[in-house]
Amino acid sequence: DTGVSQDPRHKITKRGQNVTFRCDPISEHNRLYWYRQTLGQGPEFLTYFQNEAQLEKSRLLSDRFSAERPKGSFSTLEIQRTEQGDSAMYLCASSSRQGATNEKLFFGSGTQLSVL
Amino acid sequence: KQEVTQIPAALSVPEGENLVLNCSFTDSAIYNLQWFRQDPGKGLTSLLLIQSSQREQTSGRLNASLDKSSGRSTLYIAASQPGDSATYLCAATGNTPLVFGKGTRLSVIA
Repeated sequence: DTGVSQDPRHKITKRGQNVTFRCDPISEHNRLYWYRQTLGQGPEFLTYFQNEAQLEKSRLLSDRFSAERPKGSFSTLEIQRTEQGDSAMYLCASSSRQGATNEKLFFGSGTQLSVL
Repeated sequence: KQEVTQIPAALSVPEGENLVLNCSFTDSAIYNLQWFRQDPGKGLTSLLLIQSSQREQTSGRLNASLDKSSGRSTLYIAASQPGDSATYLCAATGNTPLVFGKGTRLSVIA
């Protein structure tokens, strides 16, 4: 059990460029979540997967954002045509949901995105 | 829509003091409530999870309580240490994925 891994840790990009982040969950965790956190705020939910199926997307997730989880393993989050407002920490979490009341999320260290 | 509020936003205490962090939520139909710790620029570390049927959970010097009827949870830290300095976040989940508060930034002064 190596924990949730996110890559890269930091990304600096120019406005208008596309960026892609990767998340490797704890092995055999069936759920994977993406959250976004800006300075001084709590994490905000973006989307989540159960195995390879994307079950819910937040209204925060504009058309420029897309997430995938092929084969129910790692996940990628892509942002197209980045804007300065996209600057944030992008957090990934995974869980092994065996019941609604005891689902515990394990978070990665996040990817800090800066859009210049 | 679930909303989670944490008070105070920041807290500074001398080493050794016992302290309480507060969390309130608007929708009492939760499955569980979780407390996390976040160090600057880092991800979240899970501290305690209280299921909806439980009243409290304990881990070492930490004790978290849950009162669903009043929509409140507290995190009690005993004998605080400088290493406890971090931001503490509470989050509630029900029909929606985890909804977080903005956190309480704790500084424990040696």
